[in-house]
Amino acid sequence: GNSVTQMEGPVTLSEEAFLTINCTYTATGYPSLFWYVQYPGEGLQLLLKATKADDKGSNKGFEATYRKETTSFHLEKGSVQVSDSAVYFCALSAMSAGANNLFFGTGTRLTVIP
Amino acid sequence: DVKVTQSSRYLVKRTGEKVFLECVQDMDHENMFWYRQDPGLGLRLIYFSYDVKMKEKGDIPEGYSVSREKKERFSLILESASTNQTSMYLCASRLEGASTEAFFGQGTRLTVV
Repeated sequence: GNSVTQMEGPVTLSEEAFLTINCTYTATGYPSLFWYVQYPGEGLQLLLKATKADDKGSNKGFEATYRKETTSFHLEKGSVQVSDSAVYFCALSAMSAGANNLFFGTGTRLTVIP
Repeated sequence: DVKVTQSSRYLVKRTGEKVFLECVQDMDHENMFWYRQDPGLGLRLIYFSYDVKMKEKGDIPEGYSVSREKKERFSLILESASTNQTSMYLCASRLEGASTEAFFGQGTRLTVV
């Protein structure tokens, strides 16, 4: 089946610290991988994506590399800011019940303190 | 600016009521989804639709139904609301394709008392 396992939170970091949020997946076939972010009081929005092995997605200083050999898509940022405080969801897109569905991890809440 | 709009941000309903959650998208997307979001459980798929009048069950369809009479509108129906359906409900839409971005509404926080 298709599933995503991501690092449990919450994660609290000081401003300018290095961030890693781990994500591993199980999928049939060759899924596309995504990171979505949910800021307080808002819906989810796409942060970055990668569609094939060894692709690196990047946006707003965040990056993640699609690692087929370890079935992972870890999110990293070199220097976090207070404005990065949010919940981060790893997701994969794969065929299920005749359509391309998105399967989400449980989310990791990040709090960045000044 | 692309948009997915959910009809209510907050709703309070009584046990046993029939509840309608509405979602409208303006991007001409084929696929639309309803998720519920609960702490520690992430997003769980309730139902999805890949075309007008088409619907498929997700992971947790029990107690819910859906309607898609027009391409832009996807409604979630709680036939008889129960307290365990208190949750955040998120609607999303996307074009067909494995790598396409999903666009989400702001969510409806439903409380059943």
